Amino acid sequence: GQSLEQPSEVTAVEGAIVQINCTYQTSGFYGLSWYQQHDGGAPTFLSYNALDGLEETGRFSSFLSRSDSYGYLLLQELQMKDSASYFCAVIGSSNTGKLIFGQGTTLQVKP
Amino acid sequence: DTEVTQTPKHLVMGMTNKKSLKCEQHMGHRAMYWYKQKAKKPPELMFVYSYEKLSINESVPSRFSPECPNSSLLNLHLHALQPEDSALYLCASSQTPGRQTSEQYFGPGTRLTVT
Repeated sequence: GQSLEQPSEVTAVEGAIVQINCTYQTSGFYGLSWYQQHDGGAPTFLSYNALDGLEETGRFSSFLSRSDSYGYLLLQELQMKDSASYFCAVIGSSNTGKLIFGQGTTLQVKP
Repeated sequence: DTEVTQTPKHLVMGMTNKKSLKCEQHMGHRAMYWYKQKAKKPPELMFVYSYEKLSINESVPSRFSPECPNSSLLNLHLHALQPEDSALYLCASSQTPGRQTSEQYFGPGTRLTVT
């Protein structure tokens, strides 16, 4: 089976840095993705890591360690608009198109 | 154009009604997905279409019937739903299945209420 674990809630202040961790157990591994979803909105793709290391996209970075079955999303210079749910996700199989989501982390950014 | 559109935005239907949800994308993507999402939960995969053919049905009850008329359109036909089917129904697309599955573009969803 496949499962992903991430914290249910994280709180931080504006301008701070926050890290959202994700550990996974999968029968095969084809990469770790991160999605953001605002209340009432659609999930939006943020990043994808297939290989170990850090990927940076503006204020957001994502890290993967395949040997530890672990990844994280790093959000810098937090803004109020970053308050949202963040999901890590893995591809269930290389061919089938099935994306398996973690339970999500609700990030609350306070002034 | 990196947009996935869905209609209607909101839908209220009785348990004996028949209705359809529609999804459209013009990005040339060849994989399209239906998800169901309950409040405070992750999206839950229902169906995957790959090159207009149904490739995954996640044991979804037959009261949900997907259809892919062409590479840009995806429908979800609803019949005899139950109140527990009330949820946000999300459509998504990706370039192809496989590794490109990791980057999916989601529509805004249809908020369905079954009375």
